[in-house]
Amino acid sequence: AQRVTQPEKLLSVFKGAPVELKCNYSYSGSPELFWYVQYSRQRLQLLLRHISRESIKGFTADLNKGETSFHLKKPFAQEEDSAMYYCALKSSNYQLIWGAGTKLIIKP
Amino acid sequence: SQTIHQWPATLVQPVGSPLSLECTVEGTSNPNLYWYRQAAGRGLQLLFYSVGIGQISSEVPQNLSASRPQDRQFILSSKKLLLSDSGFYLCAWSVGPIATGELFFGEGSRLTVL
Repeated sequence: AQRVTQPEKLLSVFKGAPVELKCNYSYSGSPELFWYVQYSRQRLQLLLRHISRESIKGFTADLNKGETSFHLKKPFAQEEDSAMYYCALKSSNYQLIWGAGTKLIIKP
Repeated sequence: SQTIHQWPATLVQPVGSPLSLECTVEGTSNPNLYWYRQAAGRGLQLLFYSVGIGQISSEVPQNLSASRPQDRQFILSSKKLLLSDSGFYLCAWSVGPIATGELFFGEGSRLTVL
């Protein structure tokens, strides 16, 4: 079955500390994974996609097929990183399978 | 630039009443359109998607229906609301299939059924 799991509903770290938001997936084919972010009072928006191998706002995510993971990382958290983060898996041309989301709080 | 508008933002309706949530996209042609429901602690659930006028695909059988009367208009409806229809509904669009994984979301509509 196709599934995305974000084991942490809430993650709280201090400003300047490293951040890792976990995402594990279950998919039989070659996965395409994405991270979306929703800042307070803003729309849900794409943060990054694994095929681009990009760093956005200091965040990176590496696809680990052996561990079926796509964790989102940032070496030094900033207060403006506080938001809701969703991991998503493309399951067809029209369907993304979404994780339940992790609320990230950066403490000053 | 492209924009997506969704309304109403908040709606309180009695059980058994009808529902109409509207979504329009501007600045693009022939977008793929989507209705999602976002439940706390459960992520996003795809309800309907549309690849063109009058073409609706339903992902989850339920008390809701969708229509696309115009290229950039997507409507979520119900004839008789149930308590379980309460939730946060998101409209989104994409350029063709989700080739790049990028969906553009509206601001959402919070529906409370009493």
